[in-house]
Amino acid sequence: GENVEQHPSTLSVQEGDSAVIKCTYSDSASNYFPWYKQELGKRPQLIIDIRSNVGEKKDQRIAVTLNKTAKHFSLHITETQPEDSAVYFCAASHKAAGNKLTFGGGTRVLVKP
Amino acid sequence: GAVVSQHPSRVICKSGTSVKIECRSLDFQATTMFWYRQFPKQSLMLMATSNEGSKATYEQGVEKDKFLINHASLTLSTLTVTSAHPEDSSFYICSAREGGALTGELFFGEGSRLTVL
Repeated sequence: GENVEQHPSTLSVQEGDSAVIKCTYSDSASNYFPWYKQELGKRPQLIIDIRSNVGEKKDQRIAVTLNKTAKHFSLHITETQPEDSAVYFCAASHKAAGNKLTFGGGTRVLVKP
Repeated sequence: GAVVSQHPSRVICKSGTSVKIECRSLDFQATTMFWYRQFPKQSLMLMATSNEGSKATYEQGVEKDKFLINHASLTLSTLTVTSAHPEDSSFYICSAREGGALTGELFFGEGSRLTVL
């Protein structure tokens, strides 16, 4: 089955700096890659996603890049703010696996004021 | 976006008892729902896929007799932890896609924190 690795596990940045989280996946059939943000004790919320027919997607301060050949994708957060502090999860899925999401291990991001 | 609601949000039970967690899609129909388990400071681990009107599909290593899943309607799936033990203490989260879509955003419930004494 699919295996998603996520790095780093923790990330501390100064407010205003950029944060980058990287994920790799094992199943070349995976074609949908969402990123979720989870605040302490709350449900995961989708922040951005990308499909395999696109190499990059941007939404304001958040961007995701996908390299299908290398089987890795990354989340970029620019001009970080304290409210960006949370745990971020990447995930991957594909139709043949019932579109079940396999999550990475998560990255705990702390934005210091 | 679509809303998925879970109940209860917190439950404490004695070892050996059974606990039922409900997952409802409030404003859409969900032919498929997913149940995840999350340990503190860890990722979401898929336990099973709940299919309306049929048996759930369990992930490898998940005991189907321990974690009973019933998806009796298009808006409700339940997870029953039977004969709960302290090691079953965890955060359980359900999720669903809007309109039974095969792809796209997965909406999560609020989660249910189970503590087994």
